[in-house]
Formats: sequence, structure tokens, C-alpha cells
Amino acid sequence: EAGVTQFPSHSVIEKGQTVTLRCDPISGHDNLYWYRRVMGKEIKFLLHFVKESKQDESGMPNNRFLAERTGGTYSTLKVQPAELEDSGVYFCASSLTLGLAGSAGEQYFGPGTRLTVT
Amino acid sequence: QKEVEQNSGPLSVPEGAIASLNCTYSDRGSQSFFWYRQYSGKSPELIMFIYSNGDKEDGRFTAQLNKASQYVSLLIRDSQPSDSATYLCAGQGAQKLVFGQGTRLTINP
Repeated sequence: EAGVTQFPSHSVIEKGQTVTLRCDPISGHDNLYWYRRVMGKEIKFLLHFVKESKQDESGMPNNRFLAERTGGTYSTLKVQPAELEDSGVYFCASSLTLGLAGSAGEQYFGPGTRLTVT
Repeated sequence: QKEVEQNSGPLSVPEGAIASLNCTYSDRGSQSFFWYRQYSGKSPELIMFIYSNGDKEDGRFTAQLNKASQYVSLLIRDSQPSDSATYLCAGQGAQKLVFGQGTRLTINP
């Protein structure tokens, strides 16, 4: 079974440019999450999709970030315009089930996209 | 105060010994806890999860949860050099994971 895949693995862009990151979750996983790790900090939640719907976008830093999941399969995260502080590693994760009382919604992570804004 | 706290290490353990990794959390609403292993430049790899008080064993790994003390730990028995990595503790509340900064573990041959 293929794991979570992300594209590209690295991206270097200039401040003010636009970048689009893509995530393909594990087949059959309705739940898709985006996380980010900036240098020296812990991994932080950005948002959660259930199928094509945004369940929780409380972690999105500002309106320069736009996430979509058309058709409930792959997801894209667009940063427009990029700023220096957007540099970091963007992880995507997916889970089959939700974490509810008495169970755990195990999340499986992709390899990440390392974004560098210069 | 961070929601999930871990000692960043580095923690050095001789090969064959028990490595003990600790994590505390502040959100009592967190239902489940996860331990991920991350090798440098790689994705976090899920190795254990626990949501009930007590111990949960899987091979050389044992996760421990004490909700009263808001404490989670991971024990690695018979440590191997291949266990050298950063170990991330995460609590799950409202579906999203809240991560600690991670503990860097080095197993010395």
C-alpha cells in the first residue's frame, strides 16, 4: 500500500512569488491534515479536511495560505504571496478514522515539502 | 507554557540498554497520545499510540500514559544503533495533533 506522497520535495522561491504544494493521501483515507515545521520549532497543525470539506482551519497563519481538496482525493496548499517567515517543512498526513473517545485516529505522514523563501 | 513538552536532549544511551523518553501535556482534553520517530530529513513515522491509562507494549517499545499526572512516556528496550533518531510526542485533541519539540536520542555502540 502506497503511503502519503507529497510534491515537490523541495521548493526555493523568492519573496512575493506563489508556490503550490501537493499531497496525495493514503487511498481510502478521508481525513487529510496539513502541518508545518519552521526551523527550531515544533510541528504545528495548519488544517484538517474530511473528504473535500474543511473541518478545522484554525492553524492557518493568514489569508496568504489557501488549501483545497477538490473531489476529496489529493489536496493542494497554495502560498500567495510567499514571505520569508513561510520557510519551513510542510507535512501532509492522512488518517482512516477520527480520534474519538476509546479509539485513536492514527495519522500517517508524508515525506514533507521543504520550502525556502529567499 | 507549551501544550506538549519534551526534553530536547540529546539523550545518549548505550546499546542494549533501556531508553526512556518522557513527555508532559497541559490539555486535559487530549484523548490519545502518539509517539513518532523521525530520522533526519525524513517523515515522522508512527511507532506507538496510547489512549488508556497504563502501559501498552509492542515489541521492544512500551508506551505509558498517566492521565492524572498528564504524563506520557516511551521505553525502548534493548536499544539498537538504528533507534537513534528524534522522537516526537503528540497529543490528539479535536482531531489535530499537538507536538512537542522532540527528543534527540543517540544509541552508542
